[in-house]
Amino acid sequence: DQQVKQNSPSLSVQEGRISILNCDYTNSMFDYFLWYKKYPAEGPTFLISISSIKDKNEDGRFTVFLNKSAKHLSLHIVPSQPGDSAVYFCAATLFGNEKLTFGTGTRLTIIP
Amino acid sequence: DVKVTQSSRYLVKRTGEKVFLECVQDMDHENMFWYRQDPGLGLRLIYFSYDVKMKEKGDIPEGYSVSREKKERFSLILESASTNQTSMYLCASSYPRGRETQYFGPGTRLLVL
Repeated sequence: DQQVKQNSPSLSVQEGRISILNCDYTNSMFDYFLWYKKYPAEGPTFLISISSIKDKNEDGRFTVFLNKSAKHLSLHIVPSQPGDSAVYFCAATLFGNEKLTFGTGTRLTIIP
Repeated sequence: DVKVTQSSRYLVKRTGEKVFLECVQDMDHENMFWYRQDPGLGLRLIYFSYDVKMKEKGDIPEGYSVSREKKERFSLILESASTNQTSMYLCASSYPRGRETQYFGPGTRLLVL
């Protein structure tokens, strides 16, 4: 049972435009969400996170939005750059839980 | 910077072989994790350790075991490798309490023939 879902396996975006990656979750107890970025032949690296007490968190070109009622979060990248081409994983966790539940990933390709 | 290293980047093994994957972290993290990454399935947790000699099963522990004799080292063992264990294996570490991010190693791509 996939508790964290990324329904778009891939996404292509023109350089300079906005990239929007989506993630849905089913467990309403999740209260902390993270996005990771993974290049080929490397491990995932942390990108940005958000607590359930917020609905938005921004870090430079990256913004994560959380809609608790819809159990949905999204990652916005503006403007998109070629170096953003990677696989993006969303992840979720419960308060006090050491483990993360990851989504299936979305491969983002930025077209120059 | 946190550094998580894995003993091999690529491994080729035969069905039935015993396989050891090793992971070392240098940040004195209490928590260490083993995941496998497969296309369309994302990252799935195999085992988790929150202290030396302590371990907890993840979502897919069947066919795997782990060992944590020292805080900085966490080993994943495939007792008898099978072709369905061909995958990318990722190790991660973190501080406790679940609020901290996990830091990943570069991964080991294992092919079981």
